[in-house]
Amino acid sequence: GAVVSQHPSRVICKSGTSVKIECRSLDFQATTMFWYRQFPKKSLMLMATSNEGSKATYEQGVEKDKFLINHASLTLSTLTVTSAHPEDSSFYICSAAPRSGGATDTQYFGPGTRLTVL
Amino acid sequence: QQQVKQSPQSLIVQKGGISIINCAYENTAFDYFPWYQQFPGKGPALLIAIRPDVSEKKEGRFTISFNKSAKQFSLHIMDSQPGDSATYFCAAAGGSSYGKLTFGQGTILTVHP
Repeated sequence: GAVVSQHPSRVICKSGTSVKIECRSLDFQATTMFWYRQFPKKSLMLMATSNEGSKATYEQGVEKDKFLINHASLTLSTLTVTSAHPEDSSFYICSAAPRSGGATDTQYFGPGTRLTVL
Repeated sequence: QQQVKQSPQSLIVQKGGISIINCAYENTAFDYFPWYQQFPGKGPALLIAIRPDVSEKKEGRFTISFNKSAKQFSLHIMDSQPGDSATYFCAAAGGSSYGKLTFGQGTILTVHP
């Protein structure tokens, strides 16, 4: 149980194009999904928190117009990197917090998406 | 206030040995402390987690020790195996963080056969 998938696992795109990454909770409903960015040999950096049916909350320093997040359902959140540039190349990871009757902090992570912008 | 400091940055142990990774936090509102294991090119996987109402939690070869007064917690891996070689992250959540995890810097564990 508690499986989170991401698609695609790897993507290479040209500078200036937009890339969409999907995050799905396969066997549970997720009230909240989180998007992280991770540089090589570094820790995870939270980019934004996504709640189903409402606007995402972005962390300080993260451009909301560049990283568009949509949480369309309780099992799907998408991250769109708009007008991607080489400095956006990174490992993007999503996580999902199961919906439950009480507060929960447990997060299950997806396998990540490696984005390379040429 | 939101930092979680993790040490050591890297750790080398022999097969069968004990691996110990330490974390310290500042925010006393944190009430959930998970450990994640990450292999290269993969997402983090939840390994074990603890809440401050207990001082220790054991699952198989993995044990979390928690010291609330010192605001520290640690991961012990008993009988370490080469397959345990990975990056380990501690994290903390609670209070006004609304479920957001604050991660430590990570520890690269290498277990030699």
